[in-house]
Amino acid sequence: EVQLVESGGDLVQPGGSLRLSCAASGFTFSDYSMNWVRQAPGKGLEWVSYISSRGGTIYYADSVKGRFTISRDNAKNSLYLQMNSLRAEDTGVYYCARDGVVIRYYFMDVWGKGTTVTVSS
Amino acid sequence: QSALTQPASVSGSPGQSITISCTGTSSDVGGYNYVSWYQQHPGNAPKLMIYDVTNRPSGISNRFSGSKSGNTASLTISGLQAEDEADYYCSSYTTSGTLVFGGGTKLTVL
Repeated sequence: EVQLVESGGDLVQPGGSLRLSCAASGFTFSDYSMNWVRQAPGKGLEWVSYISSRGGTIYYADSVKGRFTISRDNAKNSLYLQMNSLRAEDTGVYYCARDGVVIRYYFMDVWGKGTTVTVSS
Repeated sequence: QSALTQPASVSGSPGQSITISCTGTSSDVGGYNYVSWYQQHPGNAPKLMIYDVTNRPSGISNRFSGSKSGNTASLTISGLQAEDEADYYCSSYTTSGTLVFGGGTKLTVL
């Protein structure tokens, strides 16, 4: 079964840091590019970041550029999101989502269940 | 990276058809055939319903269809069913290499 499982969400103070992980299974992770998408409580979806299958191409939303870093370890079938200088507006559920195989598809066909990040003092 | 514009809510009766619009600019929706649509039930992760404007993933009912004209994409659901009640989001590729979502539309089946 194709599956993505996020972890690492927590309560953190403003200005703090957090590292999210996403464990992939059921498909050849190293062939696929990946995304992080977040959703603030009661709000809509917001795309956060993209990484190509080998990590050579990366994009960020303006709202997180310079503060968040996406990375992956294909040997461990894992995707990561390092979040620094966290703000209250970063609060929400963070989803990892699969993009295309070999090339970018510009849509996300497999989603994890999400992990919750709360930024509050 | 301004969000795409969707109506906040739409409604319809079982068996009817509804259409949800998604308006962007020539830098996103109008510039590429890379519009996708996602369905999200409360408490669940989003689910891909339409990709590349008109294509349905395997397993998605043919009651769901997509189209685009200029800077506006649309999702049409025909033969409305109670299980279709959910939030729907459009997404588009942008000239910056990023993705952008719409604000979401709450579909109510009356």
